[in-house]
Amino acid sequence: QKEVEQDPGPLSVPEGAIVSLNCTYSNSAFQYFMWYRQYSRKGPELLMYTYSSGNKEDGRFTAQVDKSSKYISLFIRDSQPSDSATYLCAMKGYSSASKIIFGSGTRLSIRP
Amino acid sequence: DARVTQTPRHKVTEMGQEVTMRCQPILGHNTVFWYRQTMMQGLELLAYFRNRAPLDDSGMPKDRFSAEMPDATLATLKIQPSEPRDSAVYFCASGLVPEVRASNEQFFGPGTRLTVL
Repeated sequence: QKEVEQDPGPLSVPEGAIVSLNCTYSNSAFQYFMWYRQYSRKGPELLMYTYSSGNKEDGRFTAQVDKSSKYISLFIRDSQPSDSATYLCAMKGYSSASKIIFGSGTRLSIRP
Repeated sequence: DARVTQTPRHKVTEMGQEVTMRCQPILGHNTVFWYRQTMMQGLELLAYFRNRAPLDDSGMPKDRFSAEMPDATLATLKIQPSEPRDSAVYFCASGLVPEVRASNEQFFGPGTRLTVL
C-alpha cells in the first residue's frame, strides 16, 4: 500500500462547477501538506501548502487537512478551463530532512 | 526570471546506450532533487543533494543509475546501460532549505522525456 493514495481520475466537470480533489495517507508523521498543479508536458508547480490541520484559502482555491482522518482536500470554486491540469497532493514530515511524498495525481478537465 | 533548466528536453535511445541528463538548479538553491514520473508509478524520488552532497539515493537502481553534482550549478543523472523500462519523464527540482516557510518548496524543471527502444 502506498503512503499517499490519490484517485487518478480523469475528472471532467463543466466550467463554473466546484471541484473537489482528495488524497488519503497512512503516515501520521506527515505535517506539511501541499498541492501541486502540473500542466501537460510541464513540471509540477506548487499551488498551496498547509501545516498540520485546518483550512487555507487562496482566491478560488481552498485546501483542507483532516489529520484525524488522514485525509486532505483541494476545492476549486468557479472552475475555469485554465484549471485543466493534473493535481498532485504531496506531504512531508516536520524535519527539513524529511522527503516529500507525492500522490499519483488526478487529471482534471474543465469543459467550457 | 529564475527557473530550473534541464537538457535535453527529449531523448530517444536504444537499449544498452548510456544516457546523461543535466540540470541547472536555480541560483542560490542548496537542494537538488531528481524524480522520475510514469503513468503507472507517478512521481518517484530517485535522489537528492544538499549543498552538493548526496543525502539520499535510495530510490535509484544503483546498478545502472548514478547522480552527481560536479558543481553548484550542475546536477547530472546518468543511466548506463539504459533499458526500455527506464522510459519516463525525469524531473529535476531545486529548493532552499532551511527557509522561512519551511515547506521545502521545490521548483521543478520542464523535465527530460526519455524513450528507450
